[in-house]
Amino acid sequence: DTEVTQTPKHLVMGMTNKKSLKCEQHMGHRAMYWYKQKAKKPPELMFVYSYEKLSINESVPSRFSPECPNSSLLNLHLHALQPEDSALYLCASSLYPGQGNGKLFFGSGTQLSVL
Amino acid sequence: SQELEQSPQSLIVQEGKNLTINCTSSKTLYGLYWYKQKYGEGLIFLMMLQKGGEEKSHEKITAKLDEKKQQSSLHITASQPSHAGIYLCGADMNTGTASKLTFGTGTRLQVTL
Repeated sequence: DTEVTQTPKHLVMGMTNKKSLKCEQHMGHRAMYWYKQKAKKPPELMFVYSYEKLSINESVPSRFSPECPNSSLLNLHLHALQPEDSALYLCASSLYPGQGNGKLFFGSGTQLSVL
Repeated sequence: SQELEQSPQSLIVQEGKNLTINCTSSKTLYGLYWYKQKYGEGLIFLMMLQKGGEEKSHEKITAKLDEKKQQSSLHITASQPSHAGIYLCGADMNTGTASKLTFGTGTRLQVTL
């Protein structure tokens, strides 16, 4: 199994809603990532989990809350989002964290629209 | 922070033609990755280059790394419609505990019949 599975594929939410994005991999990878991608822009790193611990937070607003319940699962909890948060949210994993481990496996993303 | 500039921004080529995409870094490159993205989908890893002068090929795609010039190039030979998409270079910034992959500005490739 060489897939990273993201659910849902599409999500529409109001600014007062609470929702969660889910990501799952069964490749035994020990690093997992959340990226945000706006239209016609490259992906921007949000969070990195190394061995199930949060190791990088790229100054992401607290309305985004990541969670790594175990080595296979990664969640992104959303609360009180703004319309400008509308984007494609990509989850990725790599075998190990650290330099030289930039071969990432990406999910197909969740297209989020905030109304 | 490291910045990666890609050129051209977009490219339209006729099927069967060759093309080259360039990626220039603002800092020394210690490792360079190439990815491809279909519109609205996830990224697919293509190649990783780690040594100056290194060159790798996969099917009709060849990538080279020139550390001295802080550049990498991606060359596609005899392009096909399946090559269409967004090509992104990425540089690995080691922060000690995690790999932080930063992506270039992207090149949109269209292949016409």
